[in-house]
Amino acid sequence: QVQLVESGGGVVQPERSLRLSCVASGFTFNNYPMYWVRQAPGRGLEWEAVISNDGSQKFYADSVKGRFTISRDNSKNTLYLQMNSLRTEDTAVYYCARDNKEVLGGGKYYYMDVWGRGTTVIVSS
Amino acid sequence: DIQMTQSPSSVSASVGDRVTISCRASQGISSWLAWYQQKPGKAPKLLISAASSLQSGVPSRFSGSGSGTEFTLTISNLQPEDFATYYCQQAHSFPYTFGQGTKLEIK
Repeated sequence: QVQLVESGGGVVQPERSLRLSCVASGFTFNNYPMYWVRQAPGRGLEWEAVISNDGSQKFYADSVKGRFTISRDNSKNTLYLQMNSLRTEDTAVYYCARDNKEVLGGGKYYYMDVWGRGTTVIVSS
Repeated sequence: DIQMTQSPSSVSASVGDRVTISCRASQGISSWLAWYQQKPGKAPKLLISAASSLQSGVPSRFSGSGSGTEFTLTISNLQPEDFATYYCQQAHSFPYTFGQGTKLEIK
């Protein structure tokens, strides 16, 4: 069964750090790029970061660039999000998601087809 | 960054109705668009990729259309389990961006 399970959330003070993990099972993890997406309380979805299947390429949203680092350990089927200098506005449910693609008419169309249940991060003094 | 704007922000409808949700991109994204459904306290669920390609297991009452900057998600014959929030998302270029969401409520 294809599954993603996040962990590592909690309550943390502003300016502190936290590392989230996402363990994958049921598929060949190192074949897929992976994402982190977050959702602040009562708000919409916000894309945060992506990492290529081999970890060589990473992209970040401006809101977390320079503070958050996405990484992966393919030997452990695990995705990470290192979050430093946390702010109150980083309070959210953090989801990991798998990238997949569909080839249609010679084009490749990307989407997030598997999501974890999320882990909650609360940044508060 | 590409901005995605959904309309309406919320809509009320009855079981059996047909509902249309619009999504506009701030620049052309061809068909690099996906639609997701999210229920309270749950992770998003992929419905449609490539603007109109229905995912396996998703009921055929869901359909997507559009290309370029204008896209539509249509739900025909609304069922009780369809009442949720719907998001569009562009996959044309990083950073990927979502629309602000459309909440579909029971009338």
